[in-house]
Amino acid sequence: EPEVTQTPSHQVTQMGQEVILRCVPISNHLYFYWYRQILGQKVEFLVSFYNNEISEKSEIFDDQFSVERPDGSNFTLKIRSTKLEDSAMYFCASRRTLGYGYTFGSGTRLTVV
Amino acid sequence: DAKTTQPTSMDCAEGRAANLPCNHSTISGNEYVYWYRQIHSQGPQYIIHGLKNNETNEMASLIITEDRKSSTLILPHATLRDTAVYYCIVRDPETQGGSEKLVFGKGTKLTVNP
Repeated sequence: EPEVTQTPSHQVTQMGQEVILRCVPISNHLYFYWYRQILGQKVEFLVSFYNNEISEKSEIFDDQFSVERPDGSNFTLKIRSTKLEDSAMYFCASRRTLGYGYTFGSGTRLTVV
Repeated sequence: DAKTTQPTSMDCAEGRAANLPCNHSTISGNEYVYWYRQIHSQGPQYIIHGLKNNETNEMASLIITEDRKSSTLILPHATLRDTAVYYCIVRDPETQGGSEKLVFGKGTKLTVNP
């Protein structure tokens, strides 16, 4: 069964550093998403991406965050200057088209120290 | 946002059917009901979705009431591996551009006991 692949599975970074979280969505999917989950809290929407542009973003997704689909297969989330409160599990997801279920990746645990 | 209400937790014996209820009384006409689950800290896993008819797939069945104000997810023969948090989600009606973001609540923590 096709999978959404995320790397790395765990990343530790110092506060103020830039991090890039990587995702390879399922190949024939058209809609891409990032969600995050702070330990013990709900899964929160960050951003959706379609047709090479952001289609929606949440209040969490401020100027420190950016997404890119550089080569037609990878989908990345960049945090420019990490803060302690950015520590969370970050999940990438994709879906073929509207009305279909999402496929989530297994997540990247980001720890900011 | 259309909101959903789910019990905080439920228990089920292994091999028995698990019936997980969800209320979504403010659902509007074109919104789908989606069910996902999250096993420990893994990524959420899609289970099933429906609009108004009952649906069944290899994982579960979804029963939606005629007025669409509630639904029940049925796992017909629960196993220990079905222990997870189950989320009932209604498509966000304020979505712009058709991205259909998912708004997760706290879900139901289902524990399947041996």
